Amino acid sequence: AQKITQTQPGMFVQEKEAVTLDCTYDTSDPSYGLFWYKQPSSGEMIFLIYQGSYDQQNATEGRYSLNFQKARKSANLVISASQLGDSAMYFCAMREGYGNNRLAFGKGNQVVVIP
Amino acid sequence: DSGVTQTPKHLITATGQRVTLRCSPRSGDLSVYWYQQSLDQGLQFLIQYYNGEERAKGNILERFSAQQFPDLHSELNLSSLELGDSALYFCASSAPLVGHLNTGELFFGEGSRLTVL
Repeated sequence: AQKITQTQPGMFVQEKEAVTLDCTYDTSDPSYGLFWYKQPSSGEMIFLIYQGSYDQQNATEGRYSLNFQKARKSANLVISASQLGDSAMYFCAMREGYGNNRLAFGKGNQVVVIP
Repeated sequence: DSGVTQTPKHLITATGQRVTLRCSPRSGDLSVYWYQQSLDQGLQFLIQYYNGEERAKGNILERFSAQQFPDLHSELNLSSLELGDSALYFCASSAPLVGHLNTGELFFGEGSRLTVL
């Protein structure tokens, strides 16, 4: 069964606008971590933001914030004030349990920022 | 720069051949993970090693094998290659989770792009 679901089609975003990327997850483990990675066209995987299942506050890192809704099992990424360099694939990922950092990834969201 | 080094960056080979992909983890990281990224499958976990021992196995084919050496570098061996094995192969490393001192994020290398003709 799919652990991480990212179903949005490719998105075009106006520069300086905010964009929200949806991610839902499935786990029965009470301890888990949620990650977002960015993959630009050059191919490398860049870590953006992390949310632990026990964290009370939504995670924020600069222009990135994570809208964590535990009861709905969603962990949406919000990118504020989009820049041209934000054009990339964005992957949501989950670590289940504690002690193993293996991540399960969603299929990704394509974002294109237009001037 | 993530600190994870992968070689080669690009590799073109023929069906039926065998290749070896190499990965050096970040200094101090004991865990190495291999992922395969193909166009239609996204990032698929293949295998994990921790301090030289296999820790977890994912969707790794029997034609594929890996190992982690005493100096902690790892190699992924792909044999009897098929067209469908063409993909970007990532290696990642991580520090062990220690309470709330780190997130357990994976640090990825730049990947090895394999093309099988």
